[in-house]
Amino acid sequence: GQNIDQPTEMTATEGAIVQINCTYQTSGFNGLFWYQQHAGEAPTFLSYNVLDGLEEKGRFSSFLSRSKGYSYLLLKELQMKDSASYLCAVRDSNYQLIWGAGTKLIIKP
Amino acid sequence: NAGVTQTPKFRVLKTGQSMTLLCAQDMNHEYMYWYRQDPGMGLRLIHYSVGEGTTAKGEVPDGYNVSRLKKQNFLLGLESAAPSQTSVYFCASSLGGDGANVLTFGAGSRLTVL
Repeated sequence: GQNIDQPTEMTATEGAIVQINCTYQTSGFNGLFWYQQHAGEAPTFLSYNVLDGLEEKGRFSSFLSRSKGYSYLLLKELQMKDSASYLCAVRDSNYQLIWGAGTKLIIKP
Repeated sequence: NAGVTQTPKFRVLKTGQSMTLLCAQDMNHEYMYWYRQDPGMGLRLIHYSVGEGTTAKGEVPDGYNVSRLKKQNFLLGLESAAPSQTSVYFCASSLGGDGANVLTFGAGSRLTVL
């Protein structure tokens, strides 16, 4: 079966750095997405990786290792507004998106 | 630019009742999707459409029907609601279905079936 694993919940301090991991086992691979979802709101796109390596976008970076079936989302200079759930999703060989359950990130002052 | 609009935002149904969730997008996207989101689980695809007049089953299609009569609209129907269908439903759309095509989501519809 296809599976995406993420930690259920993480806590970090305002101004710090946090890394949210995602491991996947899917039938094929056609890209990995990270979405942010604030409580009670819609998911919004953060990043896309299809090749190994690091993609940087301001305070957010996303890393991919296809050989290890592994990705992480790195958030720097954490702000209170970063409190949200972070969803990892992989596009499989049929181009279907497989979603992880999400990681709830709690930022403390 | 409205993006993806879902109606209604909240609905309470009794077991056995029927209802339709409406989704409209103004981005000229070809692909549209209906997902459900339940606590502790990833988004699960109910049905999707790759263009006007087409529909296809996703991961959890039982108990739901859909129609895409116009490119901009994607309707999700529950013919006989069951408590197991209590969930938050998200509609999404994308330009295409492969590569880096990003999904744009609606604000969600929270459905409770008593």
